[in-house]
Amino acid sequence: KAGVTQTPRYLIKTRGQQVTLSCSPISGHRSVSWYQQTPGQGLQFLFEYFSETQRNKGNFPGRFSGRQFSNSRSEMNVSTLELGDSALYLCASSLPRDSLNTEAFFGQGTRLTVV
Amino acid sequence: AQTVTQSQPEMSVQEAETVTLSCTYDTSESDYYLFWYKQPPSRQMILVIRQEAYKQQNATENRFSVNFQKAAKSFSLKISDSQLGDAAMYFCAYRIMNRDDKIIFGKGTRLHILP
Repeated sequence: KAGVTQTPRYLIKTRGQQVTLSCSPISGHRSVSWYQQTPGQGLQFLFEYFSETQRNKGNFPGRFSGRQFSNSRSEMNVSTLELGDSALYLCASSLPRDSLNTEAFFGQGTRLTVV
Repeated sequence: AQTVTQSQPEMSVQEAETVTLSCTYDTSESDYYLFWYKQPPSRQMILVIRQEAYKQQNATENRFSVNFQKAAKSFSLKISDSQLGDAAMYFCAYRIMNRDDKIIFGKGTRLHILP
């Protein structure tokens, strides 16, 4: 069974640009969550999608947005990039919350550098 | 506020020795899951061990075990017979049961294994 796949692995963007990151969950997983990882703040929750609906959102500005498609693949978008958006963006997929299996499976992340 | 505190930013242990990583958390909920995740240089977050808060028995997975003290809100990880492959960043985390898929992470402990 293939794991969580995130593309691209590395990205360099200029301040003011926008970026789209992609996440393909494990087959059968309908819940996808996104996290931002930085040395100073650690891992912070961005948002969670289930069946194409955003169920939960972290404390991030509106420049950060996401969506989920009918095949459970998810994208996150960051507009008007700032230097502080440089981070590792991790995606995690899991079975529905009422499942007995509570484990979240993570992808290898997208390393975004804003210059 | 929901927080996870890992008081040891870095630790070192001699190969084959035992090491304990500390973690405390704060939540007003009574039903939740606790996790230890490992993040090696490859950036892949890997679940090491999981504990359901309603279970009094401490979880064990081969060389990894936890000391779960619910009243003290403490969840430490013990690694026995440390191996070079255990070198990684370790994150303590929790998720509220039956609410959402948001995982709250600590800032991590970097573990070095000395040959």
